[in-house]
Amino acid sequence: QQQVKQSPQSLIVQKGGISIINCAYENTAFDYFPWYQQFPGKGPALLIAIRPDVSEKKEGRFTISFNKSAKQFSLHIMDSQPGDSATYFCAAGRTGFQKLVFGTGTRLLVSP
Amino acid sequence: NAGVTQTPKFRVLKTGQSMTLLCAQDMNHEYMYWYRQDPGMGLRLIHYSVGEGTTAKGEVPDGYNVSRLKKQNFLLGLESAAPSQTSVYFCASSYGGDQETQYFGPGTRLLVL
Repeated sequence: QQQVKQSPQSLIVQKGGISIINCAYENTAFDYFPWYQQFPGKGPALLIAIRPDVSEKKEGRFTISFNKSAKQFSLHIMDSQPGDSATYFCAAGRTGFQKLVFGTGTRLLVSP
Repeated sequence: NAGVTQTPKFRVLKTGQSMTLLCAQDMNHEYMYWYRQDPGMGLRLIHYSVGEGTTAKGEVPDGYNVSRLKKQNFLLGLESAAPSQTSVYFCASSYGGDQETQYFGPGTRLLVL
C-alpha cells in the first residue's frame, strides 16, 4: 500500500529554473511532512520539513507548499543549481510515532 | 562525532548464506531504523527500535531479524539470503520526542547471487 505518492520520478531543469516535486498522502493522521535530499553514494539527509499548521515554509531557495484539504504537499527549488542535482524523497509521519513513510523518490538533474 | 556509521560498505553473498549488518550511532539517540532502498520503490522500513532492548516490525520485515542489545548499536541479520534481498540498506537514528529528524548512515550495498 503506497501511503505517499511522489511525482515525477525524474526531472530535468535548466540552471536558474524552478524545480517542483509533488507528493500526495492518504492517511489524514499524518502531521509531519519532511523532505530528504540524497546525493549519489550517500545517505539521505533532512532538507526541510513542515507541519499542517502552516501552508508554506521557506528556507533559502527551498519552499514547501502544503494543501491540507487536498492532502498534497510539494517542494519548490527556486533558482535551481547544478549542485542541487540529487534524489529527493518526501515523507510523512505522525507526531510521537517516530516512524516515516517515504515516497518513491525524484531524481533531479539541473543542467548547466 | 561520527554520527551514524554502517559496516560493511559492500558485500556479495551467495543464496542461502547469512550475514549481519552493523549500525552504530554516537548521538545518544533512542530510536534506530533499518531501511532498504530499491529503484522505483523509495525507502522502505524493515525494522525499527524505540530503545535499548526493543525491536518492532516495519513495512517489509520478512527474511530479516534485528537486535538492539546496546543503545548505540542496531544489528540487521539475514539468516538465509535470497536474490530479492539485493538492495542498498540504510540505517538511521533519531532522538525521539519532538526531535523527529532521522539521521542516516552512508549505506551498505548488498548483492545476493
